Amino acid sequence: KAGVTQTPRYLIKTRGQQVTLSCSPISGHRSVSWYQQTPGQGLQFLFEYFSETQRNKGNFPGRFSGRQFSNSRSEMNVSTLELGDSALYLCASSFSPPGLATDTQYFGPGTRLTVL
Amino acid sequence: ILNVEQSPQSLHVQEGDSTNFTCSFPSSNFYALHWYRWETAKSPEALFVMTLNGDEKKKGRISATLNTKEGYSYLYIKGSQPEDSATYLCASMDTGRRALTFGSGTRLQVQP
Repeated sequence: KAGVTQTPRYLIKTRGQQVTLSCSPISGHRSVSWYQQTPGQGLQFLFEYFSETQRNKGNFPGRFSGRQFSNSRSEMNVSTLELGDSALYLCASSFSPPGLATDTQYFGPGTRLTVL
Repeated sequence: ILNVEQSPQSLHVQEGDSTNFTCSFPSSNFYALHWYRWETAKSPEALFVMTLNGDEKKKGRISATLNTKEGYSYLYIKGSQPEDSATYLCASMDTGRRALTFGSGTRLQVQP
C-alpha cells in the first residue's frame, strides 16, 4: 500500500505571496491532519479534516486554511506569507474519524517551505 | 491547552547501552498518548498508542509505560543500536480537544 504523499517536497516563496500544499492520504484513509514544525518547536497542530469537513483546528491565524476533497486528498493554503511561516509542513492520515484515541496517524515526508 | 514536555532534549549513548526518555503531560482529561520515531530525512513513524493507566507496550527492544494519574510515560530502548538513532516524539490527546499535542522530542544518537 502506498504511503502518504506530499507535494511539492520543497518550495521557496517570498513574503506576501500565497502557497498551496497538497497531501494524498493512504488509500482508504479518510482523516487528514496537518502539522507545522519550526526550528526548536515540536509539531504544532494546524487542522484536521474528515469527510471533506474540518473537524478540529489548532491555534493558527486565519491565513492558514485547508480543504479536503471527496477522494480524501487535502490541500492547505497559506496566504500573505510571512518570514515566520518558513517551516516543515507535515500531513498525516488515519482511517478512523478524528479523535479516536487508538488510531495511528501515518505521516508523509513533509513539504519544506522557505519564505524569503 | 496541553503542555507536553520531553526530557532529555538529546542523548548520546554507546552501542549496547540501554536508555530511557520521559514524556510529561497534564493528567487531567487524559485520553491517549502516542510515541513516534522520526529518523532524519524520513517521515515520523508510529511506535505505540497507549490509553490505559499502567499500560505497557513492547516492540522488539523498545518498550513504553504509561502513568495517567501522575502524567508521565517512559520509553525504554534496550541494547541501543546505531539504527535507533532518531528523534523520539510523544504526543498527548485530551478528552476535550481530541487533537495530538506533541512534545519537542528527544534526539538520540547511538555511537557504534
